[in-house]
Amino acid sequence: DGGITQSPKYLFRKEGQNVTLSCEQNLNHDAMYWYRQDPGQGLRLIYYSQIVNDFQKGDIAEGYSVSREKKESFPLTVTSAQKNPTAFYLCASSIRVGDSNQPQHFGDGTRLSIL
Amino acid sequence: GEDVEQSLFLSVREGDSSVINCTYTDSSSTYLYWYKQEPGAGLQLLTYIFSNMDMKQDQRLTVLLNKKDKHLSLRIADTQTGDSAIYFCAAPSYNTDKLIFGTGTRLQVFP
Repeated sequence: DGGITQSPKYLFRKEGQNVTLSCEQNLNHDAMYWYRQDPGQGLRLIYYSQIVNDFQKGDIAEGYSVSREKKESFPLTVTSAQKNPTAFYLCASSIRVGDSNQPQHFGDGTRLSIL
Repeated sequence: GEDVEQSLFLSVREGDSSVINCTYTDSSSTYLYWYKQEPGAGLQLLTYIFSNMDMKQDQRLTVLLNKKDKHLSLRIADTQTGDSAIYFCAAPSYNTDKLIFGTGTRLQVFP
């Protein structure tokens, strides 16, 4: 079945540590997105990518980094500069960015906590 | 700036209808979406409506769009305990490539 796979489901970060969240899709979508979800705040866009080797900052990119070396993969690194990383992280994909006739499809999320 | 607003909570009795409301400040003329999020899971696309429509019905779900008032609603008929979840509306941004999500409405269904 086509879909988006996020791993791990739960992740713990120590002080000063960088951690990487994985997102893989087999939907052949060009566009991929990372969102952060906090209680009562909805979804906030961290980074998005329209195509391989290209990505743009979203609304809350500080303390995060991404790469897009393959169409299928869009990993998110939460760096030590992100002082409040505890949240639920959601990865999504769509056929294209800017084509709002096509919905975004979501993975099952990764919950990141501070140790 | 662009904003999508929803009330945070809704509680209904099993078998009753639920109505979840959403208002948006601006949107390109295109699709508007409703997503459902169950505990600990990602967002699942529930239904959508094109901006030139007033209503769309899909089994127990009815979407109503008042474009003049920028108001979108999702009605769930015969609400079941399995409908308990967070419901997000989403509207495409008018002048960027982004999809703007509301804060989500937590629907609780009690017997």
